[in-house]
Amino acid sequence: QSVLTQPPSASGTPGQRVTFSCSGGSSNIGSNTVSWYQQLPGTAPKLLMHSNNERPSGVPDRFSGSKSGTSASLAISGLQSEDEADYYCATWDDSLNTYVFGTGTKVTVL
Amino acid sequence: QAPLQQWGAGLLKPSETLSLRCAVNGGSFSGYNWSWIRQSPGKGLEWIGEINHSGSTKYNPSLESRVTISVDTSKNQFSLKLTSVIAADTAIYYCARGISASGTHRLDSWGQGNRVTVSS
Repeated sequence: QSVLTQPPSASGTPGQRVTFSCSGGSSNIGSNTVSWYQQLPGTAPKLLMHSNNERPSGVPDRFSGSKSGTSASLAISGLQSEDEADYYCATWDDSLNTYVFGTGTKVTVL
Repeated sequence: QAPLQQWGAGLLKPSETLSLRCAVNGGSFSGYNWSWIRQSPGKGLEWIGEINHSGSTKYNPSLESRVTISVDTSKNQFSLKLTSVIAADTAIYYCARGISASGTHRLDSWGQGNRVTVSS
């Protein structure tokens, strides 16, 4: 049972904006920054966002992140077919002394 | 060569020990945390634990009694051992490089993954 909750799915048509959330608590998101990982089908996860809203080199600026209190969000603007993937939020949990992942959101491009 | 390359046995019987290694190709070994993560079939990601270059470890409490992560700095490699495996340990196991500082923690490079099946 993950301590970070994400909606199981999100979808949109090409070009649309899709946003989904990651809900946690005071010992995890409330105390530490959030990272997001993108997992394309059959591949290893890839760091997509870190420190709440910082994109690693090579990640398109269509992806943006934010955090407020004990929740975080990832937005994909100008949705493209290659964005179809599973997305996981993650952060350190000070109470569990563990790196925790969200339940994952599957993004479908209609 | 991929930045992180991992290998190990893919089929185990219950009660055996899972053993995986991960080589760090290029770049510095120090200054980072070296992590293991697993993903059960059709499920999400589970952090197993990490070690830094000096050998200090942190483990997921749910696995701590069975897990050992070690590092071989002479070879720029780190390894995972999970004892007394059961069917529920069947998963894809990933190694990853971690960066952590005050209040921030991220895994910025991942291995290709090793599929491990536990079956009698």
